[in-house]
Amino acid sequence: DTGVSQDPRHKITKRGQNVTFRCDPISEHNRLYWYRQTLGQGPEFLTYFQNEAQLEKSRLLSDRFSAERPKGSFSTLEIQRTEQGDSAMYLCASSPPSVAGFTDTQYFGPGTRLTVL
Amino acid sequence: GQQLNQSPQSMFIQEGEDVSMNCTSSSIFNTWLWYKQEPGEGPVLLIALYKAGELTSNGRLTAQFGITRKDSFLNISASIPSDVGIYFCAGNSGYALNFGKGTSLLVTP
Repeated sequence: DTGVSQDPRHKITKRGQNVTFRCDPISEHNRLYWYRQTLGQGPEFLTYFQNEAQLEKSRLLSDRFSAERPKGSFSTLEIQRTEQGDSAMYLCASSPPSVAGFTDTQYFGPGTRLTVL
Repeated sequence: GQQLNQSPQSMFIQEGEDVSMNCTSSSIFNTWLWYKQEPGEGPVLLIALYKAGELTSNGRLTAQFGITRKDSFLNISASIPSDVGIYFCAGNSGYALNFGKGTSLLVTP
C-alpha cells in the first residue's frame, strides 16, 4: 500500500506527558498537512509543510504543539505537557506538487487516536 | 476557517434508495472535495471538483460544484450497505481544507 501512513494508530497517555506522532506521506508528495478531529466534527487544519518548510500554522496550534519535516519526507507532530482537551484523532494528509490552475487535492492517512487520561 | 453548513446531519435509508446531501458556505472556494470516513479511519477522497458548474461522477456517486462557488452537492444512487459512513464536504481556497460537520449515512438491507 502506498498511501499516507501514520504511527502509532492509538496512543493513551497521562496528562502532563509528551507524545510524538509520525506521518509518512505518499512518495513524491511534497506537501504535507496536519489536522485534528474531535468527535462529531470535521477535521480542523493545524499546519502545512511544503518540502521541509512550515508555511502555515493555525491558531489552534498552541505553543505546546510543534511539527517538523526535517528532510522534506516524513513529519512528526509533538505535543508537550498533554491536557485532556488534546484528546482527538490527529490526521496527516499529503498532496502532490501543485499543477498550475488547480488547487491541491489532499489524501489522508488513517490517523492517530490520542487519549489523555 | 470558514464555516461550511452540511445537510442533512444524518440519513437512515433502505438499500437501493438514492441519497442526496449538500454543502453551503458563505465564502467562495476554488475546489470542493467530498470524503467518506468510517469509524477509526481517516477520510477517503471520493470526488474532487475544480471548476464552477463542474459535474463529476465516480461510479454510483455524482457531485457538482455550484455556479456561485459557494455550494456543492453529492448524490449516491442505488445505495448498498457498504455505503454506511460519514460523508464530509471540504472547500479549499488556499492551503487548508475547511470541512463541514458531516452527514452520517445508515443503510439497512
